[in-house]
Amino acid sequence: DTAVSQTPKYLVTQMGNDKSIKCEQNLGHDTMYWYKQDSKKFLKIMFSYNNKELIINETVPNRFSPKSPDKAHLNLHINSLELGDSAVYFCASSMTSGSSDTQYFGPGTRLTVL
Amino acid sequence: GESVGLHLPTLSVQEGDNSIINCAYSNSASDYFIWYKQESGKGPQFIIDIRSNMDKRQGQRVTVLLNKTVKHLSLQIAATQPGDSAVYFCAENIPGNKLTFGGGTRVLVKP
Repeated sequence: DTAVSQTPKYLVTQMGNDKSIKCEQNLGHDTMYWYKQDSKKFLKIMFSYNNKELIINETVPNRFSPKSPDKAHLNLHINSLELGDSAVYFCASSMTSGSSDTQYFGPGTRLTVL
Repeated sequence: GESVGLHLPTLSVQEGDNSIINCAYSNSASDYFIWYKQESGKGPQFIIDIRSNMDKRQGQRVTVLLNKTVKHLSLQIAATQPGDSAVYFCAENIPGNKLTFGGGTRVLVKP
């Protein structure tokens, strides 16, 4: 079974739409993350949740809203999609919120906004 | 898309040769460093890590070297194989902060 899974793998949508990406981890980890990888492969953290509580919120437009219904799931909802939101979004998890804990990444969701 | 990704620093290496990937980190307070490998269409995968109280750590076919004086980290891959073709990222941890990733280096293994 995949440790960190994301759905969908590909998402193509029009500007202005609202979309969600889902992430689940079956590792029993307490902490989950969302990263954005741009076209130059630069990886930047967006959010981090520890036991369903938000602990990192980088400078991300408030059109992006993460939701953690339980510690095994962290979803990302994006309102009013813009062209610049096109990227690959990665979910990750780690045992604890200590930043020296190894983070395990999902396979990514490639979002294309037309 | 992938065409912009090709502007990544690229290391071309002959199969069987050793590879050295370099990374300069930014913060002298960083206490923990990780190398990740990202294959095409996949998420980053942990390779090896090192804490700041060490200057060398070895894994299977990989060695990480840390030079805190010049804030430099390197990843050495012995006997590079086609499966080593990927983008490699270093990441640094600043205590009390989040993990910060470097820009990535693409490794192309030539048969």
